[in-house]
Amino acid sequence: GAGVSQTPSNKVTEKGKYVELRCDPISGHTALYWYRQSLGQGPEFLIYFQGTGAADDSGLPNDRFFAVRPEGSVSTLKIQRTERGDSAVYLCASSKNPGRPYNEQFFGPGTRLTVL
Amino acid sequence: EDKVVQSPLSLVVHEGDTVTLNCSYEVTNFRSLLWYKQEKKAPTFLFMLTSSGIEKKSGRLSSILDKKELFSILNITATQTGDSAVYLCAVIYGGATNKLIFGTGTLLAVQP
Repeated sequence: GAGVSQTPSNKVTEKGKYVELRCDPISGHTALYWYRQSLGQGPEFLIYFQGTGAADDSGLPNDRFFAVRPEGSVSTLKIQRTERGDSAVYLCASSKNPGRPYNEQFFGPGTRLTVL
Repeated sequence: EDKVVQSPLSLVVHEGDTVTLNCSYEVTNFRSLLWYKQEKKAPTFLFMLTSSGIEKKSGRLSSILDKKELFSILNITATQTGDSAVYLCAVIYGGATNKLIFGTGTLLAVQP
C-alpha cells in the first residue's frame, strides 16, 4: 500500500489482558514512531525506531509497554496487563531517515484501544 | 518542561468566515514547528515553519512563525465545511530523532 497501515482499527479488551497493535510503515522508511492520543488531547510521543533498534523509548509510560521492530519494517506495540487508562488511539508514523532537512512523518489511521 | 499550547480549544464559524488559530511553545532545542489537520484519525501534514516572518501559503491556508515571541498562527480564509477538523500544532524536538511534541489541538466546526 501507499501509506502507513495499522491493524486492528479497533480493539476492545478487558482490564488485565494483553494486546498487540501492529504498524506497517511506508516501504523504505527507516524511521518509525509510535504516539498515543487520548480523547481531547494531541498525540503524545511513545517510542522511536531507527531500523530495528529503539533509538528513543523515553515516552513509554511504564514497563507494561514494549515495542519491537525485528526486521526494520513492521512494528508491534505490546501492552501487558492493560488498564482503563490505556484507552486511547495509538498512532504510528514513518519517515525517511530523520535529520536535516526534516523528513515528513506520515501517520497511519491509528488503532482505537478500549479497555473495559 | 517542554510544552505546546493551542487556542482556542474549539471554534464554530460559518462558511465564508476567516479564522485564526494560535499556537505558542516553550521547547528546548527548537528546530521547526508543524501544522497538521486531523479529520478522523490520521493527522495530515499542512506546513512546516523554521524561519521567523516567512509566510507559508497553500490555497486558503497560510501560516507564519515568530521565533522571538515563540508562537505561530494558522489562518484559513473563506472557510468551507470541508475545513471542519482538529488542527494540531507540533514542534520538533529531541535532537536527531525528530520526535514531535503536540498541542491539544483546536477543533474547528464550519457550519453551512
